[in-house]
Amino acid sequence: DARVTQTPRHKVTEMGQEVTMRCQPILGHNTVFWYRQTMMQGLELLAYFRNRAPLDDSGMPKDRFSAEMPDATLATLKIQPSEPRDSAVYFCASGLVLGSSYEQYFGPGTRLTVT
Amino acid sequence: QKEVEQNSGPLSVPEGAIASLNCTYSDRGSQSFFWYRQYSGKSPELIMSIYSNGDKEDGRFTAQLNKASQYVSLLIRDSQPSDSATYLCAVRFSGGYNKLIFGAGTRLAVHP
Repeated sequence: DARVTQTPRHKVTEMGQEVTMRCQPILGHNTVFWYRQTMMQGLELLAYFRNRAPLDDSGMPKDRFSAEMPDATLATLKIQPSEPRDSAVYFCASGLVLGSSYEQYFGPGTRLTVT
Repeated sequence: QKEVEQNSGPLSVPEGAIASLNCTYSDRGSQSFFWYRQYSGKSPELIMSIYSNGDKEDGRFTAQLNKASQYVSLLIRDSQPSDSATYLCAVRFSGGYNKLIFGAGTRLAVHP
């Protein structure tokens, strides 16, 4: 049963600290997405990659967020420095774009609390 | 502004009834449509995808798409308490590098 995995599942940190979240997409998927979910804003797309190349990061605060995909099995999202308003659940999703068929599968999420 | 609109609910239905969840979208060129179910504290789970006008059935779930009206719906037959969750509509907008735009979700409550 192929699944997207994310680490850590929970993270509590102090304002100003660096936070790194990791994601392992489903093997064979060619797109990876980072989302943030809050009660107020719902599910927001932060960044996404196709074949490891960043295609769109317009949803990310550029001054503090960065997303990379160093290899096909690992995607990272970093926040430096973190702020209380970054507290949210961060989801990674992966998908296989094949013709008109297109589906995304979500990981379990990282619940981030910045105090 | 590309938008996906859903009634936030809660939509309350009795066990065994049909739950009908609706979604409208702003981009007439959209081609792919998805329904995700999200239990409280969990991640969204893909339950249906639909690409062509008409109905698509999978077990107790039926997705309906009307591109002319820019409307997609999800019917859940024989609703069970375990169906109580938030249902997110997602649309792949044209020209968007395959990214999905999600609605805010409709909270469904199925009561015994």
